[in-house]
Amino acid sequence: EPEVTQTPSHQVTQMGQEVILRCVPISNHLYFYWYRQILGQKVEFLVSFYNNEISEKSEIFDDQFSVERPDGSNFTLKIRSTKLEDSAMYFCASSDSRGNTIYFGEGSWLTVV
Amino acid sequence: GIQVEQSPPDLILQEGANSTLRCNFSDSVNNLQWFHQNPWGQLINLFYIPSGTKQNGRLSATTVATERYSLLYISSSQTTDSGVYFCAVGPVTGGGNKLTFGTGTQLKVEL
Repeated sequence: EPEVTQTPSHQVTQMGQEVILRCVPISNHLYFYWYRQILGQKVEFLVSFYNNEISEKSEIFDDQFSVERPDGSNFTLKIRSTKLEDSAMYFCASSDSRGNTIYFGEGSWLTVV
Repeated sequence: GIQVEQSPPDLILQEGANSTLRCNFSDSVNNLQWFHQNPWGQLINLFYIPSGTKQNGRLSATTVATERYSLLYISSSQTTDSGVYFCAVGPVTGGGNKLTFGTGTQLKVEL
C-alpha cells in the first residue's frame, strides 16, 4: 500500500535554529498537509497545500513557518527560528481529492532545547 | 469551526472484552476518519467513514451523519489494541479540506 514518508524521524535542535522537515506524499495525491501534536494533546492542523499554494492555514502557522514543494515529489515544512514550544510531533499527510481519505506519515519528533 | 467530542476519555478493559467509543461532531461532514495512535506515536488509519457502517476484522464503525455522531466498536480486545483512538472530521462547508481531531480516547487493555 502506498504511504507517506517523513524524514527525519527525530530531530533535536537548539532554540533559534532553523529546521526543515521533509515529506514524500503519495505519488498521485494533490492535497498536502502538515499537522502537529504536542505531547499528550490532540492533533492540530497547521496548513494545507494545493496547486502549488497554501489553501488554508491555522493560527499556529505564523510567519516562522513556511511550506514548499521544491520538486514533484517532496513537501517540506520549515521553521525559521525554533522556540521551545515548537517541540512536538509533526505529521505530514496527503489526499487525492477533497473529502477523501487523508493518509498520514509516521511523524517527525522535533525536540527544541 | 467544527467541534469534535470523544467519549469516554479513558477506558481500561480486560483482554477479550468489547467496547464502544463515541465521537460527536457539531456540523455536517464530508470526511470522518478513525485513527489509532500506537505507543510510538504513529497514526494508523482505521476507517474512512463519513456515513454508513464498515467492518475490518475485530473493528467496526458506524456513522449516523444526520445525527452527527460516529461509533467505533472493538470486539475481543487484545493488548495490542492499547493506545489512543482519535476521531477526525472534515466539515462540508467552511473547513477547507482539513481534518479537525477530537481529544481522543485513551484505551488500555490488560491481561
